[in-house]
Amino acid sequence: ETGVTQTPRHLVMGMTNKKSLKCEQHLGHNAMYWYKQSAKKPLELMFVYNFKEQTENNSVPSRFSPECPNSSHLFLHLHTLQPEDSALYLCASSRTSGGVGGVDEQFFGPGTRLTVL
Amino acid sequence: AQSVTQPDIHITVSEGASLELRCNYSYGATPYLFWYVQSPGQGLQLLLKYFSGDTLVQGIKGFEAEFKRSQSSFNLRKPSVHWSDAAEYFCAVSGTYKYIFGTGTRLKVLA
Repeated sequence: ETGVTQTPRHLVMGMTNKKSLKCEQHLGHNAMYWYKQSAKKPLELMFVYNFKEQTENNSVPSRFSPECPNSSHLFLHLHTLQPEDSALYLCASSRTSGGVGGVDEQFFGPGTRLTVL
Repeated sequence: AQSVTQPDIHITVSEGASLELRCNYSYGATPYLFWYVQSPGQGLQLLLKYFSGDTLVQGIKGFEAEFKRSQSSFNLRKPSVHWSDAAEYFCAVSGTYKYIFGTGTRLKVLA
């Protein structure tokens, strides 16, 4: 496979469930990102990992827990979610997460459509 | 503060007509600028990017964009729209360590 893949593509869960989203990139990139996309809102950056180290947590509630075991894989562990957490969760990767010159082009996966009942 | 504004939430054009999607940004230095497209149920795909140099950049699918520093704009254009261009378009500016996205413009194409 090439590019950025995400599984599952769709997920329905109750508020008491625990589930995980998986992202894998086959591009040799060192930076990975989680975004939340809700209707009528800008994309919200949730987490940034650079060389497996978390470099940004954008004030995300603790019911979302990221994990980055290596530069190719990124997980988002979910527990005790709320209905307002229903959204499209997008994973992206880039060569690096930036610096003075800015962030490289990001490559996005197709997303996981999450519905919390 | 850094920000991106896409003033048009929805735009409808007829197939074959020209298209311009507006993007204005606020950034303290010369930004990196991007346009992405998202088809229903899909992730974002990069159309084009501006880092430096020629202010008119060409992208995929026949799109182009022009960086105008004096107007803090990076508008996306296409001379002749195809029905397959119906999608949502996002402008983004790259800050030091992260992207800032606009709220998107949804394009509808009439046959």
